[in-house]
Amino acid sequence: DVKVTQSSRYLVKRTGEKVFLECVQDMDHENMFWYRQDPGLGLRLIYFSYDVKMKEKGDIPEGYSVSREKKERFSLILESASTNQTSMYLCASSPAGGGYGYTFGSGTRLTVV
Amino acid sequence: AQKVTQAQTEISVVEKEDVTLDCVYETRDTTYYLFWYKQPPSGELVFLIRRNSFDEQNEISGRYSWNFQKSTSSFNFTITASQVVDSAVYFCALSDWGAQKLVFGQGTRLTINP
Repeated sequence: DVKVTQSSRYLVKRTGEKVFLECVQDMDHENMFWYRQDPGLGLRLIYFSYDVKMKEKGDIPEGYSVSREKKERFSLILESASTNQTSMYLCASSPAGGGYGYTFGSGTRLTVV
Repeated sequence: AQKVTQAQTEISVVEKEDVTLDCVYETRDTTYYLFWYKQPPSGELVFLIRRNSFDEQNEISGRYSWNFQKSTSSFNFTITASQVVDSAVYFCALSDWGAQKLVFGQGTRLTINP
């Protein structure tokens, strides 16, 4: 069963901490994405990657960075967590080329206190 | 710029009622894809359907049906004889041809009451 796996389902971190959210896919997909989901705002794209070591900013990259050292793994980094980064974070992957839907992970609900 | 609007924030119906979720989109491209996803309480978004802009035929899959109308830039989703298991948040999304990113609507929370 192919899937996208996010390392943590729930996470609680303190303000100012450096936070790593990990995402692994086993479908050999070229594209990987990080979204955050907030009530009333839907899904907003933070960063995405078309290939290993490549990254592109999405709509709300401020306060975040990413790393993609291997094709199957895409990490989201909160350099210094803040309370306004409390949210649901969703990772997704898709094959190269346009028009494909995403396969999503189950999400990580991050609370910054 | 691309935009997807799901004006219905929340819908609540009684089981066995039919319910329609609205989706209106904006794009400058003439070729594009539209999607619907379901997010149950477990959190993972599940793919339901993809349509391309060349194909305006309506589609039916069991109790689910989709009505795509380019003239009104709408891609509405109807659940017939709703069931409690249909309770979820539903997202409509848009992707331009050749684009690898999806733009999502705000989502509609559907609650089916027994």
